[in-house]
Amino acid sequence: LAKTTQPISMDSYEGQEVNITCSHNNIATNDYITWYQQFPSQGPRFIIQGYKTKVTNEVASLFIPADRKSSTLSLPRVSLSDTAVYYCLVGERGGSQGNLIFGKGTKLSVKP
Amino acid sequence: GAGVSQSPSNKVTEKGKDVELRCDPISGHTALYWYRQSLGQGLEFLIYFQGNSAPDKSGLPSDRFSAERTGGSVSTLTIQRTQQEDSAVYLCASSLVQGTAYEQYFGPGTRLTVT
Repeated sequence: LAKTTQPISMDSYEGQEVNITCSHNNIATNDYITWYQQFPSQGPRFIIQGYKTKVTNEVASLFIPADRKSSTLSLPRVSLSDTAVYYCLVGERGGSQGNLIFGKGTKLSVKP
Repeated sequence: GAGVSQSPSNKVTEKGKDVELRCDPISGHTALYWYRQSLGQGLEFLIYFQGNSAPDKSGLPSDRFSAERTGGSVSTLTIQRTQQEDSAVYLCASSLVQGTAYEQYFGPGTRLTVT
């Protein structure tokens, strides 16, 4: 599995756009990039997944450059409820590798 | 529909006792995963099942940890002779099919405290 590196923490204010970048220099051809969100006392929740270029859903956007060695999760106009830990993961569909290496994630604190 | 459920939600046990943690995955999900999360830490992978078999047991911290899955559904994680360092939240997740990039649905976790 490709190793990922992301900032330990970030601070923001309500209404701002937040961009969290994840580095994955050893990403493989078959790997997808997935982001999860975890609130205190809850299990992680899938946010978004992408392979290349840009993916957008009702929660976030994911930007992936052509070399795919990094990705950026973009949260538009954050609110206090977006305070959580965000995990970036890289891995392939199928195959025999089943586990996800979550790391410590990025702790986002949104202030009023 | 129903999500992943885990029981108990909280478990306090004395050092040296055995504990069993249960996970009910989403119906129809063939893959099931166990993770452990210590306070303020990321998730530590323990084991995953594809159907009833566990191809990857590499994450189990010691031979005191074991897990089984029956009928392709419910899974039990057993910790024998618990130690204080086993205190953590144990999370279970399931996905429709096995594969790192497939969305995993997590349960609320079991908070284990070993005194």
